[in-house]
Amino acid sequence: AQSVAQPEDQVNVAEGNPLTVKCTYSVSGNPYLFWYVQYPNRGLQFLLKYITGDNLVKGSYGFEAEFNKSQTSFHLKKPSALVSDSALYFCAVRDSAGGGADGLTFGKGTHLIIQP
Amino acid sequence: NAGVTQTPKFQVLKTGQSMTLQCAQDMNHEYMSWYRQDPGMGLRLIHYSVGAGITDQGEVPNGYNVSRSTTEDFPLRLLSAAPSQTSVYFCASVNSFGFTEAFFGQGTRLTVV
Repeated sequence: AQSVAQPEDQVNVAEGNPLTVKCTYSVSGNPYLFWYVQYPNRGLQFLLKYITGDNLVKGSYGFEAEFNKSQTSFHLKKPSALVSDSALYFCAVRDSAGGGADGLTFGKGTHLIIQP
Repeated sequence: NAGVTQTPKFQVLKTGQSMTLQCAQDMNHEYMSWYRQDPGMGLRLIHYSVGAGITDQGEVPNGYNVSRSTTEDFPLRLLSAAPSQTSVYFCASVNSFGFTEAFFGQGTRLTVV
């Protein structure tokens, strides 16, 4: 079975500082990893994904994530936080071995709060 | 360029009532899913479909039915609403390749009283 852990319910960062939102995963095959963002009363929006290749992937709104196979992690990062980055962030994994329609398993989400 | 469209956006039901949440996508995606989002629990898969005429259960299917008569539509039916079904429901679609991202609707906020 596949699983995702987001160990922090909330992350607080001052505007202009770097931010990290943590994610670890467990799969039996190779992982396909995704980050989504949810703004209040909205659906989930895709930010970035790791499928294969370079361990550092870049996505929308200046976000990037680093895939670390040995630590089974896929942490979301941004060099300089903006107040508008405040939202709920979800990490998700799909096992290349299959399972389900879209086969996605989501973490519980991390509230990112950027303080002016 | 609608993507995934869910209706209604908000709904209040009385315990025991039934209703259908609508989901339509215009991207010709084969795969569609229904999730519920509850505070502190992330998104949990209710039912999914890998194509017209094919559906299967996810993690939390009890109390819900689905059907997939066309590629575009994937309605979710609540048979007899219960307060435990108060939640935000999201429909998602993804094309046939496993490593592409899912597209989500805007959600339906359902309250059962």
